[in-house]
Amino acid sequence: NAGVTQTPKFQVLKTGQSMTLQCAQDMNHNSMYWYRQDPGMGLRLIYYSASEGTTDKGEVPNGYNVSRLNKREFSLRLESAAPSQTSVYFCASSDPYKNRVRGYGYTFGSGTRLTVV
Amino acid sequence: DQQVKQNSPSLSVQEGRISILNCDYTNSMFDYFLWYKKYPAEGPTFLISISSIKDKNEDGRFTVFLNKSAKHLSLHIVPSQPGDSAVYFCAASTLEGNDMRFGAGTRLTVKP
Repeated sequence: NAGVTQTPKFQVLKTGQSMTLQCAQDMNHNSMYWYRQDPGMGLRLIYYSASEGTTDKGEVPNGYNVSRLNKREFSLRLESAAPSQTSVYFCASSDPYKNRVRGYGYTFGSGTRLTVV
Repeated sequence: DQQVKQNSPSLSVQEGRISILNCDYTNSMFDYFLWYKKYPAEGPTFLISISSIKDKNEDGRFTVFLNKSAKHLSLHIVPSQPGDSAVYFCAASTLEGNDMRFGAGTRLTVKP
C-alpha cells in the first residue's frame, strides 16, 4: 500500500523554466491537495481538488496551475519558476467526511524539494 | 493571515517528562482540529484529532485538549520519549473539510 507518491523528490530549476510535480494516491480518496512548506510559515494550501474534475484555489495559488487528471492523480505546474517558489511541496489526499467520522487526517506524500536559482 | 498559530518554534524536554505543545486559532468556523508529526525528509503524518464537540481526546501517550472559548488547543505527550523528537504541526479545518490550515510548527527535542 503505497499511499501518496510524489515525483520527483528533488529538482533544481532556473528562473523562468517550467515543470510539473506529479502526485498519485492509491487510497481511492476523493480529495487531493497541494501544500508548500516554508521556514516559519508552516504548510500553506496552494490548490485542492474536492473531486475528480474540480479544482479550487487555496491560500497561495499565484504562479501555479493544477490538473486533476483522474481520481488517482493531481499534478502541480509551475509555468515560469521564480526564486520565491523555492520550497518543499507536499501532496496530500483525503476523504474528508469519512476521515472526520473516523477521526483521521490527511495522508501526505514525502515531498518534493524544489530550488529555483 | 495565519489563522492557526504556534508561537513556540521549539521545545526541549527530558525523557520521561511531559511535553506540552500549544496552538491558537482565530477562525471561529474551525470545528475539527488535528496534530501532525513530521520527521526530516518525510511528509507530515497524522497523530491525533479532536472535534469541537469534545474538550479532550486521548490516544495512548498523546492527549489533545480543546478550549473553544479561548480558541486554544494543546497536545500533551506523557511520558516523552527520544523517538518523539520531531516537528509538530497543529491544524484546523471547517465542516467542509478541504480547507485545512496549519500552524508554523514546533520542533520538539526529547533529551535522553
